[in-house]
Amino acid sequence: DVKVTQSSRYLVKRTGEKVFLECVQDMDHENMFWYRQDPGLGLRLIYFSYDVKMKEKGDIPEGYSVSREKKERFSLILESASTNQTSMYLCATTSGGVAGANVLTFGAGSRLTVL
Amino acid sequence: SQQGEEDPQALSIQEGENATMNCSYKTSINNLQWYRQNSGRGLVHLILIRSNEREKHSGRLRVTLDTSKKSSSLLITASRAADTASYFCATDAGRRALTFGSGTRLQVQP
Repeated sequence: DVKVTQSSRYLVKRTGEKVFLECVQDMDHENMFWYRQDPGLGLRLIYFSYDVKMKEKGDIPEGYSVSREKKERFSLILESASTNQTSMYLCATTSGGVAGANVLTFGAGSRLTVL
Repeated sequence: SQQGEEDPQALSIQEGENATMNCSYKTSINNLQWYRQNSGRGLVHLILIRSNEREKHSGRLRVTLDTSKKSSSLLITASRAADTASYFCATDAGRRALTFGSGTRLQVQP
């Protein structure tokens, strides 16, 4: 089975801090995604990447950036955390081809609280 | 933007009863998927139905798709307490990524 590991399950950060959320997958999948999940809003796509060093903005990229230097690792960066970025962050992967045609495998999630 | 909207937002039933959740979407799709999320965890894929399919079964799960109404339903038969979770529909509309709805919280009382 594909394993998607998010390094931090719970984080508490202060406003203005730089935050790194790491996601690592072990099955050589081309496509990786970052979603955030908020009550009543479901999952919203922040960024995705379909190859090393490639990235595309999702629906809510403002305040975030990403890095994909290696195929297995996709990092989400909050340059200056704000309280409205308190949320559950979910990383997901899928194999090649048109990303949406494939089934997503999710990590366990990282719950970030910004004080 | 949210493509899928689930209905109801929350559902509470007794063990052994059937649970039905509905999903409506706005644009044409290639396929529709259902995922399950246990509290505080990541999502797990349950079932995928393609746009040219009308019904699909997997164990106690039955999914229907009506592309003319742009809607889908997920039926869980003979529910168990372990089915307690949130359920999300996700649509593949030809974009690079799936679009998820806001989910249905299912509570199955023992």
